[in-house]
Amino acid sequence: GAVVSQHPSWVICKSGTSVKIECRSLDFQATTMFWYRQFPKQSLMLMATSNEGSKATYEQGVEKDKFLINHASLTLSTLTVTSAHPEDSSFYICSARAVEDTQYFGPGTRLTVL
Amino acid sequence: SQELEQSPQSLIVQEGKNLTINCTSSKTLYGLYWYKQKYGEGLIFLMMLQKGGEEKSHEKITAKLDEKKQQSSLHITASQPSHAGIYLCGAISGGGADGLTFGKGTHLIIQP
Repeated sequence: GAVVSQHPSWVICKSGTSVKIECRSLDFQATTMFWYRQFPKQSLMLMATSNEGSKATYEQGVEKDKFLINHASLTLSTLTVTSAHPEDSSFYICSARAVEDTQYFGPGTRLTVL
Repeated sequence: SQELEQSPQSLIVQEGKNLTINCTSSKTLYGLYWYKQKYGEGLIFLMMLQKGGEEKSHEKITAKLDEKKQQSSLHITASQPSHAGIYLCGAISGGGADGLTFGKGTHLIIQP
């Protein structure tokens, strides 16, 4: 099946700093990628839809100025958490949509903000 | 917005037994996805169902979508320890967006 990678797999940062997470589709091109967030023992919540070459679409309640998304190529989308605070600590997972509409997920990035 | 209800929330099954997990939607499903997740890891794609009455199988896992496209079931035959994990159903959110709305998951434990 299709492979999606994320980098880093985990990151610890100080409050107030920014953190960038990369999502790559390794063996297919994805015009659309998605970013989800998962809190402990909860399900995934869609944060935003990342479209190659255009602005991301954010879900209600997700601050676009705090969670910057860039989809610069057909295989790479980045999520930057700006001015991170402890409440932003979470498991961030991306997915990439393949031609057949199946969404393949990355392994996730665990963010801990101190 | 679409809501997905999964049942049961958790399930403990003896190795070798069969089991079924259900996913019910408040609205018609236009695409229903089943994934498996180990805690703290990414999601492994299992199956996608789109047509009413559709059924797909992969190894010992079978997923069905009912004719009304509001309910799906995931059935595992002769369960093995490797089947343990969290099973999530997801569906297109709707409203023009393609992101998935997920159920809360079913935590499956296989007892040897």
